Amino acid sequence: DVKVTQSSRYLVKRTGEKVFLECVQDMDHENMFWYRQDPGLGLRLIYFSYDVKMKEKGDIPEGYSVSREKKERFSLILESASTNQTSMYLCASSPDQSSPLHFGNGTRLTVT
Amino acid sequence: DQQVKQNSPSLSVQEGRISILNCDYTNSMFDYFLWYKKYPAEGPTFLISISSIKDKNEDGRFTVFLNKSAKHLSLHIVPSQPGDSAVYFCAASFAGSGSARQLTFGSGTQLTVLP
Repeated sequence: DVKVTQSSRYLVKRTGEKVFLECVQDMDHENMFWYRQDPGLGLRLIYFSYDVKMKEKGDIPEGYSVSREKKERFSLILESASTNQTSMYLCASSPDQSSPLHFGNGTRLTVT
Repeated sequence: DQQVKQNSPSLSVQEGRISILNCDYTNSMFDYFLWYKKYPAEGPTFLISISSIKDKNEDGRFTVFLNKSAKHLSLHIVPSQPGDSAVYFCAASFAGSGSARQLTFGSGTQLTVLP
């Protein structure tokens, strides 16, 4: 069974801090994604990657960057955390275009 | 502007009855639609999908209907069970750049099945 692991379930950071959210998948999937989930807004795509070292902006990339140095790992970086980045962050992976996404359990980030 | 809309934030049904969750979309380029289910403290899990070349897809108790002319899809759960209580997200996609389809999600509907 596919496993997508997000390194932290809960994080509390201060405004201005640099924040790293890590995600690892164990099924050799080509595609990896970062979403954030907010009440009333559903899941919104931040960035995705379809190959190592490749990245593309999603719908809300501002204030975020990503890194994919290895196929199994996709990192989301908040260069300077702000309170409006308080959210649930969800990582997902998929092997190809026609397969559904497999999600991790999420990281609840609070920026104070 | 939300391209995928779930206008009902919540829905309550009695155990054994039918649950109908609705979703509307605006982008005519969407050609693949999915439903995900999410329990608290867990990530969303895939439930069922439908391609735009079909108008119905069934998997056990779950059926998804697609009405392309109305840009509307619905998820029917029959019979509903208490374990179905979760947030249900509708999602839509079209073939994008590279090999990755981008999914656009609705805002979710909280389904509560009452015993």
